Amino acid sequence: SQQGEEDPQALSIQEGENATMNCSYKTSINNLQWYRQNSGRGLVHLILIRSNEREKHSGRLRVTLDTSKKSSSLLITASRAADTASYFCATDLYNFNKFYFGSGTKLNVKP
Amino acid sequence: DTGVSQNPRHKITKRGQNVTFRCDPISEHNRLYWYRQTLGQGPEFLTYFQNEAQLEKSRLLSDRFSAERPKGSFSTLEIQRTEQGDSAMYLCASSLIKGGASYTFGSGTRLTVV
Repeated sequence: SQQGEEDPQALSIQEGENATMNCSYKTSINNLQWYRQNSGRGLVHLILIRSNEREKHSGRLRVTLDTSKKSSSLLITASRAADTASYFCATDLYNFNKFYFGSGTKLNVKP
Repeated sequence: DTGVSQNPRHKITKRGQNVTFRCDPISEHNRLYWYRQTLGQGPEFLTYFQNEAQLEKSRLLSDRFSAERPKGSFSTLEIQRTEQGDSAMYLCASSLIKGGASYTFGSGTRLTVV
């Protein structure tokens, strides 16, 4: 079974609006990462947040992590049409060496 | 070195045939991973290598699947006696050996079994 699950499964917004995606996971983790995938392509790493961090920023991206709730959120501010993609969270279980991916949120940003 | 390279990009094969995919990781990355992704789903872990050693295999990797990484450089994933259920995107990723290292993914090989 998947370790992480994203919510919502799909999100459609207008250009300029903010997009928020959530990820819930089941067991303790070392790190949580967010990846983006354009249709039919490989995944691109966006941001990593460690289990002892609560918030990280990178450009228009803001990630939060709440280990007590086993959840994370990805906020994309001032979205652009080019942000249209699927977004996945990936978690490494404590002391494991591989990442588990959720089923993703498909984001559509309308121009 | 421009990233992780996967070949071929697309492969169409008849059921029962064998196929082999290749992945060339970033040269300084010690770890190499294979994932499989079906439509609308996230990538599922198949196996990973640290240098030339295959350290873990998922139970998704049936005995028809074999992966190698000779000399700790490129890797191959072979599927024997392909079935329609093998149709998927096969993704390769590489990373450094350190806690929380991010993956660099290739563009994947799209396999269609007809």
